Formats: sequence, C-alpha cells, structure tokens
Amino acid sequence: DAGITQSPRYKITETGRQVTLMCHQTWSHSYMFWYRQDLGHGLRLIYYSAAADITDKGEVPDGYVVSRSKTENFPLTLESATRSQTSVYFCASSESFRGRETQYFGPGTRLLVL
Amino acid sequence: TQLLEQSPQFLSIQEGENLTVYCNSSSVFSSLQWYRQEPGEGPVLLVTVVTGGEVKKLKRLTFQFGDARKDSSLHITAAQPGDTGLYLCAGVGGFKTIFGAGTRLFVKA
Repeated sequence: DAGITQSPRYKITETGRQVTLMCHQTWSHSYMFWYRQDLGHGLRLIYYSAAADITDKGEVPDGYVVSRSKTENFPLTLESATRSQTSVYFCASSESFRGRETQYFGPGTRLLVL
Repeated sequence: TQLLEQSPQFLSIQEGENLTVYCNSSSVFSSLQWYRQEPGEGPVLLVTVVTGGEVKKLKRLTFQFGDARKDSSLHITAAQPGDTGLYLCAGVGGFKTIFGAGTRLFVKA
C-alpha cells in the first residue's frame, strides 16, 4: 500500500532490551523524521534525515540511534530501553523542508517499557 | 529553546457552538501549521500560514497568523461532533518544526 507505515503498532519490552521501530514510505520523500508524543509535551523531534546516509539529531536524541541506508526506510533503535522511553513514536516524511511542506505521519508505534 | 504554548488544553462544547484555540510563542516562525490528530492515528495537516496577518479559511475553520509571526489562532464556527480531536499547532523555522502540546476538543451532539 502507498503511504507511510510503521511496525510494530504496539510493543511491550523490558528495561535494558534493545528495540527497533520500523518506518517505511513509498513516496521517495527526501526527508524523514522520528517524533515521540507524550502527554503535556506534544510531539518532540528525536532524529531526522535529509537523504539516505544523512541523519541529524533533534530535540531529544539521547538513548536512540537511527540509520538510513535506503531512501524509503528509517528505523529507530532504542539501544537499551528505559521506562522514560515509554511513549508513542511517530515517523513522518516530507518531500523537502523549506518551511511550507506537509509532513505525512505514520499511524504510530505505542511502546511500553516495563 | 523555542516553545509553542497552546490554550486551552482541553475544550468540551455542545454542537453548534463556536470556539477559538490559541497558539503563542516568543519566537518568530517562517510558517505556522495546524494539524488534527484522531485517536490511534498520526497528525494530519490542515493548513499552513506563511505571511504575517494571513487568514485562511477551510469550510468552518478559520486560521490566522499573527502580524509578528509569533502566534496563531484557529476558530471553528458551529462545531460538529466530527470536529472532535486533538489540534496541534507547529511552528516551522530553519530546519526545525516545533509542536505545541495540543488542544483536545470534544464536541457533544
């Protein structure tokens, strides 16, 4: 299906485990983003990527790792999950980033760290 | 640190009422976007305003960008139950998009 998809949709893990959240888009958009959404904080940018093999930190990057070997995929890895990383994670993509473009969001991954 | 403050945080109104949601910052943005998010889904863009003082209308929704490009408002006329959702404003500047915490709107039939 066309669009932006995330997997898994729900994940329960334990403190200290490594977790990878997947994001795939079919539009060949250059830019991709990872956000986390928590009550009272809105969406906060974790990492973004301007193109394959180009990534940069956002507002809250600590504890997360990203890669982008292919334009369409942008996985987010929690190297050693902590309870504070319990959140809803959204991936987004946009054609470019000059200030007016639409960011298209995936359906989100709900992560619970026990 | 750039911040976008939205008010109110929560709004529960009857069908047919009017409402206004505010988005304020001390920072200047290149543009201001409004998104709507339904439970279990990602945000969906409603509008982008770019010019200070700009007003855009989308059916019963009216969006305004402040003259100084630091604030914005969303006005809904004759709200309907289908308007229920989380409304997020987002300020775009440089290579950053800063999101407000959102206004959760519930419209009762």
